[in-house]
Amino acid sequence: DAKTTQPTSMDCAEGRAANLPCNHSTISGNEYVYWYRQIHSQGPQYIIHGLKNNETNEMASLIITEDRKSSTLILPHATLRDTAVYYCIVRVVGFSGNTPLVFGKGTRLSVIA
Amino acid sequence: GAGVSQSPSNKVTEKGKDVELRCDPISGHTALYWYRQSLGQGLEFLIYFQGNSAPDKSGLPSDRFSAERTGGSVSTLTIQRTQQEDSAVYLCASSLHWTGHFFGQGTRLTVV
Repeated sequence: DAKTTQPTSMDCAEGRAANLPCNHSTISGNEYVYWYRQIHSQGPQYIIHGLKNNETNEMASLIITEDRKSSTLILPHATLRDTAVYYCIVRVVGFSGNTPLVFGKGTRLSVIA
Repeated sequence: GAGVSQSPSNKVTEKGKDVELRCDPISGHTALYWYRQSLGQGLEFLIYFQGNSAPDKSGLPSDRFSAERTGGSVSTLTIQRTQQEDSAVYLCASSLHWTGHFFGQGTRLTVV
């Protein structure tokens, strides 16, 4: 079972910031938070990941609370092409190997013109 | 190539036939994963290869499913005696040790 909880759906106006929350209250110390999205009829796309510090890349920002029990993915200026299902996943990453991704149902983000 | 390549993109097969699905990962990626996504369902892990280690087969739904990875690169997922419930999009992904997964576009399998 997925170890994260996300809202089923969200709407966002085009050009505004989209803030997608995720709860992962049982996260372990060696688990990272990963975000992926899946645009209709395409394979999932990696967005960003982090352990405890906030992270930013060209696609998004990831804000992780100090207790690591929740996080927020921020798309700073949402466009219509950002309409997708967004998945928040916690995952162990170690030198002995990685664990597969366990996908929940994600959040369906609709960006509205 | 620049990304993960899967073939065929679509496959229609008769119930009871065997099928082979191919995945070409990103060059140099040590980990390779297979997932499937049934209509209206979430993504389900099937099998995982990491370097030369024995694969993690814990997600395979039955012994009709198997996979191999030759030379640490190309992988083939084989489904024997296909059933209608095997109809799904089969997705392959590859990664380096700590990076995110890079997914292919998938193979849509339809069993009729």
